[in-house]
Amino acid sequence: NAGVTQTPKFRVLKTGQSMTLLCAQDMNHEYMYWYRQDPGMGLRLIHYSVGEGTTAKGEVPDGYNVSRLKKQNFLLGLESAAPSQTSVYFCASSWAPGQPNQPQHFGDGTRLSIL
Amino acid sequence: TQLLEQSPQFLSIQEGENLTVYCNSSSVFSSLQWYRQEPGEGPVLLVTVVTGGEVKKLKRLTFQFGDARKDSSLHITAAQPGDTGLYLCAGYSGAGSYQLTFGKGTKLSVIP
Repeated sequence: NAGVTQTPKFRVLKTGQSMTLLCAQDMNHEYMYWYRQDPGMGLRLIHYSVGEGTTAKGEVPDGYNVSRLKKQNFLLGLESAAPSQTSVYFCASSWAPGQPNQPQHFGDGTRLSIL
Repeated sequence: TQLLEQSPQFLSIQEGENLTVYCNSSSVFSSLQWYRQEPGEGPVLLVTVVTGGEVKKLKRLTFQFGDARKDSSLHITAAQPGDTGLYLCAGYSGAGSYQLTFGKGTKLSVIP
């Protein structure tokens, strides 16, 4: 019962470094999402994808890029990390188009610190 | 931008007490969901409410969707330490929407 798996779980970066966060789901879900969670701010949507090969901007997309080359994987990239990107990042997925009110299934998060 | 306001932000109660958490908006949502998140983990869905006025019960948890579909509440009866966690409400704005708007959460601590 893997569900949504995020790697790595923890990472410390220096300002200006780049990295990629990987999200993998084994539920054949069409939709995938990247959120960041900061104290007192709740979950904010960074980017999302409604299917393989598609991506779209969410509420806070600046400084991030994403790719969905395979249906089961959704990658989040930081090209030049900034301290303001210190956060906990969550990936989520949900089922199919045309079915409203779907639950989102979350991974356990990646805790990222930018020094 | 649709907003969901949750209150209270923090709640600390003794085991056995009852509590209510509120989720309010000035906008209409096609459905509202409640998630619970424990430390070091991602949110997990508790319930989805779709119809205005709907009430759903999950053991000691009672969820209600407002008649106008702009607000929701979560009531816990006889809270237990296992109920401790962050409770998040989230809403879909339209029938075809696939983006959830999340509230900022209510952090509940139940003291034995």
